Amino acid sequence: KQEVTQIPAALSVPEGENLVLNCSFTDSAIYNLQWFRQDPGKGLTSLLLIQSSQREQTSGRLNASLDKSSGRSTLYIAASQPGDSATYLCAVRPRETSGSRLTFGEGTQLTVNP
Amino acid sequence: KAGVTQTPRYLIKTRGQQVTLSCSPISGHRSVSWYQQTPGQGLQFLFEYFSETQRNKGNFPGRFSGRQFSNSRSEMNVSTLELGDSALYLCASSQPGLEYTGELFFGEGSRLTVL
Repeated sequence: KQEVTQIPAALSVPEGENLVLNCSFTDSAIYNLQWFRQDPGKGLTSLLLIQSSQREQTSGRLNASLDKSSGRSTLYIAASQPGDSATYLCAVRPRETSGSRLTFGEGTQLTVNP
Repeated sequence: KAGVTQTPRYLIKTRGQQVTLSCSPISGHRSVSWYQQTPGQGLQFLFEYFSETQRNKGNFPGRFSGRQFSNSRSEMNVSTLELGDSALYLCASSQPGLEYTGELFFGEGSRLTVL
């Protein structure tokens, strides 16, 4: 059974700092991995999608990497801003299931202090 | 292009009642999946519908059910509500032809409180 773990559970940093969020998964048989952002009481906003054949994806100040063989992904946020404060979730799409079934981690709650 | 739309956004029910939540996917999307989010269990998959057929089902009791209409809109129903059903219910859709490998787009969710 696929399990996804995110470390740390919470992170507080000063504005302008570069930071890394970690995600690990137990079964490397995945179609892809997706990073989301969730603001309090809101839905999920997709940040980056990495296919199993890819090593990394970039969007603006965000860069996500994927090492499928070791079951790890990282989300790098450059020059953090207070507006980046949110919970960041990673989710994998296991090959053992079909369709749009994702397995989520518990999330990292990020606070960027002005 | 409108995103995934969920209604109602907030609702309060009492134990034993039933509730129906609605989800309209992004125009052209045929796959709709539902997730439950609670502080204790995180995000858990409920079920997925594709072309009006349930394609996947998570590990939830039979009180949780859903359906999809010909226009791809989906509803989920929870009968005989329990306190533990209080949660944020999220709906997601994915692009046609990319249901396995494409990006998942989520709505804002329906916040259910059971008293």
